[in-house]
Amino acid sequence: EDKVVQSPLSLVVHEGDTVTLNCSYEVTNFRSLLWYKQEKKAPTFLFMLTSSGIEKKSGRLSSILDKKELFSILNITATQTGDSAVYLCAARSGGGADGLTFGKGTHLIIQP
Amino acid sequence: DAGVIQSPRHEVTEMGQEVTLRCKPISGHNSLFWYRQTMMRGLELLIYFNNNVPIDDSGMPEDRFSAKMPNASFSTLKIQPSEPRDSAVYFCASSLTWTGGRISGANVLTFGAGSRLTVL
Repeated sequence: EDKVVQSPLSLVVHEGDTVTLNCSYEVTNFRSLLWYKQEKKAPTFLFMLTSSGIEKKSGRLSSILDKKELFSILNITATQTGDSAVYLCAARSGGGADGLTFGKGTHLIIQP
Repeated sequence: DAGVIQSPRHEVTEMGQEVTLRCKPISGHNSLFWYRQTMMRGLELLIYFNNNVPIDDSGMPEDRFSAKMPNASFSTLKIQPSEPRDSAVYFCASSLTWTGGRISGANVLTFGAGSRLTVL
């Protein structure tokens, strides 16, 4: 059974701190790993990673994938209160139209 | 583009009633997914369609759940009869899936705003 585990489940930090969110996966015929940010409503797409060691960056957010060790991290530097959200990691297996297996998410709270 | 559109946004119903959730995917997307989200189990894939055909419904919890996609622009998820443990947020998502080429933005799901279901 495909499995995605995220840690920590919850994290509270002060504004300006840097955080690292972890995602490990076990999926058959791994294809890609995706990160989503979920605030009050629908998850919104952040990154898709398919190759090991290549960092993807968007502003203060960055992510990297390690296909040998089967994990990914999402870094957020100089956090702001607007970064407060649930961050979801999802792994896609197989080919074609296969669905994603999601982790339970990391609930990140940034305190002013 | 209006994005993935779901209705209703919220529904409160009594146990035993039929519930129908609706989804309009992004125009041009050929894959559609129904997910359920609860605090205990997170996001779970219920079923997905490719080109209107159900590909994998192994996540559908019981026979009380059924999903249809009569055309490329509409899908329904039905629960009959509903039970309190069905209370959750149900998300519909769509994507453009390429079956023969390289991965290039494909399989990035775009989610709808969700339908929050409460069964009393």
